[in-house]
Amino acid sequence: NAGVTQTPKFQVLKTGQSMTLQCAQDMNHNSMYWYRQDPGMGLRLIYYSASEGTTDKGEVPNGYNVSRLNKREFSLRLESAAPSQTSVYFCASKGGAQETQYFGPGTRLLVL
Amino acid sequence: GENVEQHPSTLSVQEGDSAVIKCTYSDSASNYFPWYKQELGKRPQLIIDIRSNVGEKKDQRIAVTLNKTAKHFSLHITETQPEDSAVYFCAANLGNFNKFYFGSGTKLNVKP
Repeated sequence: NAGVTQTPKFQVLKTGQSMTLQCAQDMNHNSMYWYRQDPGMGLRLIYYSASEGTTDKGEVPNGYNVSRLNKREFSLRLESAAPSQTSVYFCASKGGAQETQYFGPGTRLLVL
Repeated sequence: GENVEQHPSTLSVQEGDSAVIKCTYSDSASNYFPWYKQELGKRPQLIIDIRSNVGEKKDQRIAVTLNKTAKHFSLHITETQPEDSAVYFCAANLGNFNKFYFGSGTKLNVKP
């Protein structure tokens, strides 16, 4: 099992450009998450999907959209990138309500 | 929503000493509290977790304690080793929902 995979690993964008971060999991988990990690601020939840077909906002959803394409895949879209979105983005998944989250390797995004 | 505070932000100990990291949470409905270790440039990985029906849990040199009345939980690492050097994050779920809130992290440095 690959676990949670993310693409790309690294991306440089210019202000105003758009891009989609991809995430997939092969653990048959119901829930999937997108976090951003900035220095000194821990992990902040952007959006999550408790099950296939549902998505909900987290702490910092502004400037992002998500799509739960199927049970395996959960994508994060930046429609018009801003320098404030420079960060490391982690996708995660988990099975039931009180179970472990497994994280992907992260995508390092730089917006110039 | 939930608010998770973590202290200290940095901790330096001598090899062989103990390290303690503390977190407080605000939502009395939170019932699952994981701890993650993140090495430089890597993804967060679960090291131990505790559920609200348990006061303490141990796994070799690592232990977690939970005080539901005071709404705080702590990570204890005994006989620290240089490979314990990393950033540690606590987290709490939001009641029975699938959302997690993370502390801001503690950078642990174990000096040989």
